Amino acid sequence: RKEVEQDPGPFNVPEGATVAFNCTYSNSASQSFFWYRQDCRKEPKLLMSVYSSGNEDGRFTAQLNRASQYISLLIRDSKLSDSATYLCVVGTGNQFYFGTGTSLTVIP
Amino acid sequence: GAVVSQHPSRVICKSGTSVKIECRSLDFQATTMFWYRQFPKQSLMLMATSNEGSKATYEQGVEKDKFLINHASLTLSTLTVTSAHPEDSSFYICSAAPGGGSGYTFGSGTRLTVV
Repeated sequence: RKEVEQDPGPFNVPEGATVAFNCTYSNSASQSFFWYRQDCRKEPKLLMSVYSSGNEDGRFTAQLNRASQYISLLIRDSKLSDSATYLCVVGTGNQFYFGTGTSLTVIP
Repeated sequence: GAVVSQHPSRVICKSGTSVKIECRSLDFQATTMFWYRQFPKQSLMLMATSNEGSKATYEQGVEKDKFLINHASLTLSTLTVTSAHPEDSSFYICSAAPGGGSGYTFGSGTRLTVV
C-alpha cells in the first residue's frame, strides 16, 4: 500500500466554485502534513501546513482527520489563478512522502 | 524565507556524458537534502537522501553508482548523473527542511534532456 494516496483528478471547475481535495495516508504515526502547489514545469511551493485543529488562509482551508487518516484542502471561490497541481505531503519522522498530485483547472 | 538555490535550471547533454546538479541552502544549514525526480505528468519521486558528511541513502530502484550524491558541507549537495541516457531525461529537484515545522523548501529544479 502506498504511503500517501491522492486522487489525481483532473478537476475542472468554473470560476467561483468550491472544490475539495483529499489525501489519505497509511502510517498512523505520521506527524506532519502539508499542502504544496506546483505550477507547470516549476518547483512545488508550500501552500499551507495542516494542523490538528485545522487552519484557514483566506480562501483555503486545510484539515486533518487523524481517525480516518486523511487530510483535506478546500478552496472556496476558485480563481483562474488557482489552476495548478496540488500535492499533499505527509511526514513520518525524517521521511516525507508525496501524493501524486491533483490537477485543478479553473474555467472562466 | 529559507531559500534553496539549484543550478543549472536547464541542461542538454549528449548520451554517455555526465551532468552535475548543485543545490545550495542560502540562509540555513541543511544537514539533510532530498533529491527528487519528476517525469512528465507524474508526481515527485524521492531518489535519495543526502546527508552531510556521510553516504547518501538511496531509494529502492535508484542506482547509486549512476546517481552520485555528494554532501560535503552544510550548505551544498550535488547530484551527478553519470553516463546519462535518454531515459534519464527528467526534472530533478532538491529540497531541504529549514526546520521549525515549516515543511520543505525546494530548489527551482533542473530540466535534464539527454540526446
